[in-house]
Amino acid sequence: ETGVTQTPRHLVMGMTNKKSLKCEQHLGHNAMYWYKQSAKKPLELMFVYSLEERVENNSVPSRFSPECPNSSHLFLHLHTLQPEDSALYLCASSQDPVSGANVLTFGAGSRLTVL
Amino acid sequence: GQNIDQPTEMTATEGAIVQINCTYQTSGFNGLFWYQQHAGEAPTFLSYNVLDGLEEKGRFSSFLSRSKGYSYLLLKELQMKDSASYLCAGMDSNYQLIWGAGTKLIIKP
Repeated sequence: ETGVTQTPRHLVMGMTNKKSLKCEQHLGHNAMYWYKQSAKKPLELMFVYSLEERVENNSVPSRFSPECPNSSHLFLHLHTLQPEDSALYLCASSQDPVSGANVLTFGAGSRLTVL
Repeated sequence: GQNIDQPTEMTATEGAIVQINCTYQTSGFNGLFWYQQHAGEAPTFLSYNVLDGLEEKGRFSSFLSRSKGYSYLLLKELQMKDSASYLCAGMDSNYQLIWGAGTKLIIKP
């Protein structure tokens, strides 16, 4: 256990479904992140929240919608996804996103398959 | 543009030493990170270097040369459990992490 918990661990959905990924951190960190990890590709930053405010949105398609109701919880709402969105979605948290030694603590990820 | 290069895959023998290289190009520089990721698990932090030189943590060491835009992760006395992917990430002047695609390390008995 890393202190960052993601659910579900596996998700299969059709292109017309709506689903949500959940992330919870028990570390008292101030920032939370969503990353997309595809095989043999670098991690892609999707969203960053600092103190519950979104500070980064790396041109992610609108079919991905984040929500951060408090500093411990982060959601990624999924709607009308495409097969190329199939990937591992990693949540992470950190103490200070504008610090050099900003160590990320990751969850184990949610493996998403879009049919 | 910003870029991180590291080998896709390496193979080493149990008990041996392996060095995983990483070259980086970032807009400004606020440090270089290494993470370990076992299959199906979360990436976990290994090391952070911001000054030139070698940092040692038990069997793992990380080296940085800022003038060369180069880092390596050195793993000694390899164990089967070291089989994992090793992710290199450079931090730019805006504190953004630029990630490499990861190096899959295979340890053979």
